[in-house]
Amino acid sequence: DVQLVQSGAEVKKPGESLRISCQGSGYSFANYWIAWVRQRPGKGLEWMGIVYPGDSDTRYNPSFQGQVTFSADKSINTAYLRWRSLNASDTAMYYCARHRYRTAWSPSDYWGQGTLVTVSS
Amino acid sequence: EIVLTQSPGTLSLSPGERATLSCRASESVTSGFLAWYQQKPGQAPRLLIYSGSSRTPGIPDRFSGSGSGSVFTLTINTLEPEDFAVYYCQQYKTSPQTFGQGTKVE
Repeated sequence: DVQLVQSGAEVKKPGESLRISCQGSGYSFANYWIAWVRQRPGKGLEWMGIVYPGDSDTRYNPSFQGQVTFSADKSINTAYLRWRSLNASDTAMYYCARHRYRTAWSPSDYWGQGTLVTVSS
Repeated sequence: EIVLTQSPGTLSLSPGERATLSCRASESVTSGFLAWYQQKPGQAPRLLIYSGSSRTPGIPDRFSGSGSGSVFTLTINTLEPEDFAVYYCQQYKTSPQTFGQGTKVE
C-alpha cells in the first residue's frame, strides 16, 4: 500500500530553523512528484510547491519562494521541507502529498497525516 | 495565477438530499485539469475527482464531477452522514496550482 508518513509536531520560537520530513513507501518514490500544502488553523489549503525526488527538481509557488526550501533524498524515500527562520505566521499544518501522475501537472492522490508546526515565543 | 472561487461557502442540507457545489476559475482550466477533495476535521484531504469528472478508485458513485472551461460542479447525490465535510476544488493546469477557499457541507 502507498503510504506517506510525516515527522511529528514541532514547537519552535521565532527565528529558529526547522526541517520536517515525509517518507514514502509502497511505490517508486523517485518517480512521483511530492507536493507540499499548508493549512493554517481554521483556513483553507495553500499549494506551496513540488519536488521531484528523482533529480530534486523543484517548483515553488511565488508566495513561498525564498521562504522555504524543498529537497529530497531518494535513497531513503524521504522529502523535506525546510525553513531557515520561522515566524509566527508559519504556524500551520503542513501536508505532503504524492502526485497521481508522473508529471508536475497532477492532482495528489496520497497524503501524509500532516505535521503541525507551532511558532511561538 | 488562476483564482478559484467556490460557492456557496456553506451548504446546509440533510442526509438523503443532493448537494451541488460550484467552482469557478478566473480563466479557463482546459482539458479538465480540475480536481475535488474532501476534508474532514483532523484529517488530511482525500482526492475524490480528477480531470474534472473521473472518480478516484474507491470513491462512491454518488460523487460526480462535471464542467469545463472555467465552471465546474461537484454533485453529491443522496448525502450520507459521512459526507458532511469541507470540499475543495484545485486546478493543476498552471503553476502555481491553486485551491478554492472551500465549501462546507453541514
